[in-house]
Amino acid sequence: GEDVEQSLFLSVREGDSSVINCTYTDSSSTYLYWYKQEPGAGLQLLTYIFSNMDMKQDQRLTVLLNKKDKHLSLRIADTQTGDSAIYFCAEKGTGGFKTIFGAGTRLFVKA
Amino acid sequence: DAGVIQSPRHEVTEMGQEVTLRCKPISGHNSLFWYRQTMMRGLELLIYFNNNVPIDDSGMPEDRFSAKMPNASFSTLKIQPSEPRDSAVYFCASSLSWGGPGETQYFGPGTRLLVL
Repeated sequence: GEDVEQSLFLSVREGDSSVINCTYTDSSSTYLYWYKQEPGAGLQLLTYIFSNMDMKQDQRLTVLLNKKDKHLSLRIADTQTGDSAIYFCAEKGTGGFKTIFGAGTRLFVKA
Repeated sequence: DAGVIQSPRHEVTEMGQEVTLRCKPISGHNSLFWYRQTMMRGLELLIYFNNNVPIDDSGMPEDRFSAKMPNASFSTLKIQPSEPRDSAVYFCASSLSWGGPGETQYFGPGTRLLVL
């Protein structure tokens, strides 16, 4: 079945770049998402990318998609302490209601 | 729009009691999802509805769990009887299905459930 995998933890220093990686199995994925969950809150959409794109940039965020390897990454430039959160990778296939979420990567930003 | 509204935000109950969680999706959204989040199991999809009809409830843990969506603006998730292992954060999310980026799910703030 469909699966989304990501590493559980990442620790970076303030001002450095963070790269969070994700792999997925569904080759029919049409949309791939990054959600952010801050402590005590629900998930919020950060950004998404269509499967026919390789890259998307949105201010400090860069999403790279390697469709051949089914690999998605999120790069956060100039990481700030406010970026400390859990980041979820998610994918959605064609014609389905269901979005498959990864387990989430907990990002720690050290001052 | 106020976003997805969930109530209560916190619930503490004793084992064996009935628990009812409530959700009001974003107006105009036609898909609604119930998730459970724990440290051990991460984010689990329990059930989702489209146009008020349950589409897939394969994630519901057992018969103690039930969900209803009597109309487009309200859904409930009920646990009866509750057990300590049901302690988790329960999220409701809604989306406008069959759109492009509109298929994004919008999450509520969650209900933190503790069963003693």
